[in-house]
Amino acid sequence: DTGVSQNPRHKITKRGQNVTFRCDPISEHNRLYWYRQTLGQGPEFLTYFQNEAQLEKSRLLSDRFSAERPKGSFSTLEIQRTEQGDSAMYLCASSSGGGTQDGYEQYFGPGTRLTVT
Amino acid sequence: AQSVTQLDSQVPVFEEAPVELRCNYSSSVSVYLFWYVQYPNQGLQLLLKYLSGSTLVKGINGFEAEFNKSQTSFHLRKPSVHISDTAEYFCAVSDTGGFKTIFGAGTRLFVKA
Repeated sequence: DTGVSQNPRHKITKRGQNVTFRCDPISEHNRLYWYRQTLGQGPEFLTYFQNEAQLEKSRLLSDRFSAERPKGSFSTLEIQRTEQGDSAMYLCASSSGGGTQDGYEQYFGPGTRLTVT
Repeated sequence: AQSVTQLDSQVPVFEEAPVELRCNYSSSVSVYLFWYVQYPNQGLQLLLKYLSGSTLVKGINGFEAEFNKSQTSFHLRKPSVHISDTAEYFCAVSDTGGFKTIFGAGTRLFVKA
């Protein structure tokens, strides 16, 4: 168990460019979550997956944002036509799912820090 | 819709003193409650959770929290803090499916020698 990994750890891009982030969850976890965290705030829920199905998407996620989890393993978060307001830390978390007490614990990755210039 | 309010943005405290970090939530349905900690330059990790049963929940590093349904609160406490407890603490609530989780804005605990 190597934990949740995210790549890249840092991304600097110019406004208008597209960016893609990757998240590799803990291997046996079937739930995967994406959050955005800005300075001085808690993580804001963006979306989550149960296996490969995207079950909920926050209204914070505009049409420029898309997330996939094609085989129920790793996930990607793409932001098209980036804006300066997209600058934030993007966090990924995974959990094993309900049914047991431990199933509700989310394990977080280190995050990808996006800076849009 | 659920929401979480952490009543203190910063809490300075001397080493070995007790501390309480306050959290109130609102929800129209039954919820699960969590406290996560984020140490400097590290990812979030779970301190403790309330799913059901005893309203007093014990977590790692000597922390505990009490679920009070009538006051919709889930305050975090530690009887004696250490310098190493300096971190950001987040209260969170989810529906009982454990899906969408809403986090508070965080409380920065600063332990002074």
